[in-house]
Amino acid sequence: GQQLNQSPQSMFIQEGEDVSMNCTSSSIFNTWLWYKQEPGEGPVLLIALYKAGELTSNGRLTAQFGITRKDSFLNISASIPSDVGIYFCAGPMDSSYKLIFGSGTRLLVRP
Amino acid sequence: AAGVIQSPRHLIKEKRETATLKCYPIPRHDTVYWYQQGPGQDPQFLISFYEKMQSDKGSIPDRFSAQQFSDYHSELNMSSLELGDSALYFCASSFYWDRGHEQYFGPGTRLTVT
Repeated sequence: GQQLNQSPQSMFIQEGEDVSMNCTSSSIFNTWLWYKQEPGEGPVLLIALYKAGELTSNGRLTAQFGITRKDSFLNISASIPSDVGIYFCAGPMDSSYKLIFGSGTRLLVRP
Repeated sequence: AAGVIQSPRHLIKEKRETATLKCYPIPRHDTVYWYQQGPGQDPQFLISFYEKMQSDKGSIPDRFSAQQFSDYHSELNMSSLELGDSALYFCASSFYWDRGHEQYFGPGTRLTVT
């Protein structure tokens, strides 16, 4: 079945540093979504991508839909302590709207 | 802006008991999705409804059932609870005709089965 491989699994960085994470799949996706989840809370939608090659920003966050449609990248610039959380990539499964999630990237920011 | 509302936020049940989780989607959203997230895991799709009809089914146990009502809220009914059902349960909603069917998640219900 479809799977999303997300890396890195975790990152511990200094405040002010830039962060990059990615998601890959063996299957083609038509939509890529990036969510952030804080402990005990629901995932919050950060960025949605719909077209191969698309580059979209949301404040300090920038995400790209890979040209092959099998990958996506999320960059966070000038990280701050409130960026702490788990970042998930997600995409709709099997031409339906149910989402499959990557395994998540846990981000810790050292003040 | 209004968000997805879930109730209760926390629920403690004993094995073999039943539980009902409720979800109130964002106003004008017509599609509701249920996900289960175990400790340290990513959310796993359970079931979804569009316009009160089941639209997709994932790895939902037969002991679980769900429905969407005329006001678009949804309830997930869980019977014969097992210890392994302890997890965070999220509801998400979307508007079917929005591009990409972006799903917005509620804060979740933490179910603990003892």
